[in-house]
Amino acid sequence: DAKTTQPNSMESNEEEPVHLPCNHSTISGTDYIHWYRQLPSQGPEYVIHGLTSNVNNRMASLAIAEDRKSSTLILHRATLRDAAVYYCNQGAQKLVFGQGTRLTINP
Amino acid sequence: GAVVSQHPSRVICKSGTSVKIECRSLDFQATTMFWYRQFPKQSLMLMATSNEGSKATYEQGVEKDKFLINHASLTLSTLTVTSAHPEDSSFYICSARTSGVQETQYFGPGTRLLVL
Repeated sequence: DAKTTQPNSMESNEEEPVHLPCNHSTISGTDYIHWYRQLPSQGPEYVIHGLTSNVNNRMASLAIAEDRKSSTLILHRATLRDAAVYYCNQGAQKLVFGQGTRLTINP
Repeated sequence: GAVVSQHPSRVICKSGTSVKIECRSLDFQATTMFWYRQFPKQSLMLMATSNEGSKATYEQGVEKDKFLINHASLTLSTLTVTSAHPEDSSFYICSARTSGVQETQYFGPGTRLLVL
């Protein structure tokens, strides 16, 4: 079973920041937090991952809570192409997917 | 990011036939690959873990004799759906895990299987 919980859906406007939350209260000390996103009829696309410190890359930022039981994926300026289902996963041995958050971006 | 390919991208077959799907890591070696299945409007479901040079590890409820997995090299894993039936119609997605300090999985584009 998926070990993470995310809101089913979120909505935002184009060019505004988006904060996607994820709870992973059962995470162990060595589990990385991974984020992926999936467009319809495509495989999941890697977005970002981290362990303890906040992480930034060209796609997004990942803010990890100090107790590591939650994290937030931040899209700084959403575009229409960011509309997708976003999945948060914990662990590295194998990724088990929950239902994810369906992000809608309004023009 | 690393690139993973799948072939074919879509396949239509008759009930009772077998279908083979290939998953390749194009620019890295992967000792471990994974196979997922996704039904419409649902999330990805992990089917099995494919280990290079050894037997695959199947998730609970997945029939190993129906979904044959072979991981003969560090860049190729295959999934064969044997005696396919309409209920096997689904979107099959593979992923390959990089090695090193920060292991990450990269996913293929998926294979759409339709069994008539």
